[in-house]
Amino acid sequence: AQSVTQLDSHVSVSEGTPVLLRCNYSSSYSPSLFWYVQHPNKGLQLLLKYTSAATLVKGINGFEAEFKKSETSFHLTKPSAHMSDAAEYFCVVSDLGGQNFVFGPGTRLSVLP
Amino acid sequence: DSGVTQTPKHLITATGQRVTLRCSPRSGDLSVYWYQQSLDQGLQFLIQYYNGEERAKGNILERFSAQQFPDLHSELNLSSLELGDSALYFCASSHRQGSTDTQYFGPGTRLTVL
Repeated sequence: AQSVTQLDSHVSVSEGTPVLLRCNYSSSYSPSLFWYVQHPNKGLQLLLKYTSAATLVKGINGFEAEFKKSETSFHLTKPSAHMSDAAEYFCVVSDLGGQNFVFGPGTRLSVLP
Repeated sequence: DSGVTQTPKHLITATGQRVTLRCSPRSGDLSVYWYQQSLDQGLQFLIQYYNGEERAKGNILERFSAQQFPDLHSELNLSSLELGDSALYFCASSHRQGSTDTQYFGPGTRLTVL
């Protein structure tokens, strides 16, 4: 069975400083991994996904994530936070033909001026 | 804008009632997924349809049911509503049903049960 752990429920950074949102997963098969962002009162938007190609994945809005199989991690990073990055971020693991799309509990990112 | 539409945007109803939530997938997408997002449970997968057929079931209550129609839109029916069913219900669609397929989410329907 798959599972996703997002190690921090809340991360607070200052504008212009780096962002690190941590995600660890458990999967019996070769997983696909996704990061989604949810702004307040909005739907979920895909930031990036890993599907067994390059281990360093670049997404939208300057975000990227690195798949590390040995650490079963897929941490999300951004070099410099913007105020508009304040949102909830979800790490997602998918395998078994995509019939199990399991969300992590989410990390709320606050960006301070 | 993901291309997935959901109606209504908000729904307020009473305990014991029945409601229907509607989802139209992106053009060309064959798979539709339903999720429930609540404060205490987070985002939970409910059910998936692919080209009109049920393909996967998650944590969906027996009081809830769904279907996907020939034009590929989907409806989620919630009956005998309880206070705890108050949540944001998302629909998502993907082109196929593979693990690499990105799911595109609609804006959600906020259900309030009084």
